[in-house]
Amino acid sequence: KNQVEQSPQSLIILEGKNCTLQCNYTVSPFSNLRWYKQDTGRGPVSLTIMTFSENTKSNGRYTATLDADTKQSSLHITASQLSDSASYICVVSAPDSWGKLQFGAGTQVVVTP
Amino acid sequence: GAVVSQHPSWVICKSGTSVKIECRSLDFQATTMFWYRQFPKQSLMLMATSNEGSKATYEQGVEKDKFLINHASLTLSTLTVTSAHPEDSSFYICSARDRGGSSQETQYFGPGTRLLVL
Repeated sequence: KNQVEQSPQSLIILEGKNCTLQCNYTVSPFSNLRWYKQDTGRGPVSLTIMTFSENTKSNGRYTATLDADTKQSSLHITASQLSDSASYICVVSAPDSWGKLQFGAGTQVVVTP
Repeated sequence: GAVVSQHPSWVICKSGTSVKIECRSLDFQATTMFWYRQFPKQSLMLMATSNEGSKATYEQGVEKDKFLINHASLTLSTLTVTSAHPEDSSFYICSARDRGGSSQETQYFGPGTRLLVL
């Protein structure tokens, strides 16, 4: 069973609207949680990274939250743009894992005009 | 931020040939590099962990004789797909772990290499 579950699997939103993506994880203990944006045919690009002690982290129109007690994270996209169309991947790493990452399956976001 | 490059960005080859993909950390030294494979509409799957100067560690189900990994320096790792077949067609992505990063877990991904085997 995947230790990082994301929802929804896909999402279509109108340009200018907001949306929120969810990530639930069972990795424990964990070192940090990251959100990546992956454009089609490109490598993932880091949006935010949070340790267990952080509750929120922003990067422009992207805001990630983390509840380490419930093992949940969300990524909120504000005022979506067409360029936000991509796959958003939640990634969790554990301490002493030698850099191995646990990937969620990603949420495919499509922003329409 | 740190940059990781991959070369080539895409390659088309005939079945039975070998293909080499390079992964370079451009502005930092990477003690560890990771190789991933990604099929359409799926997430990244770790193939192997490559440590500079030592043998790579392969994930279960990944053939080490099929996917040869060499990490000869702190800035370069190569993945060679030997005797490639159409089922090896995929998107190959590397990531590099920053040796001098503030966080032990700092990793940067390359842009990926699209392999198509005919």
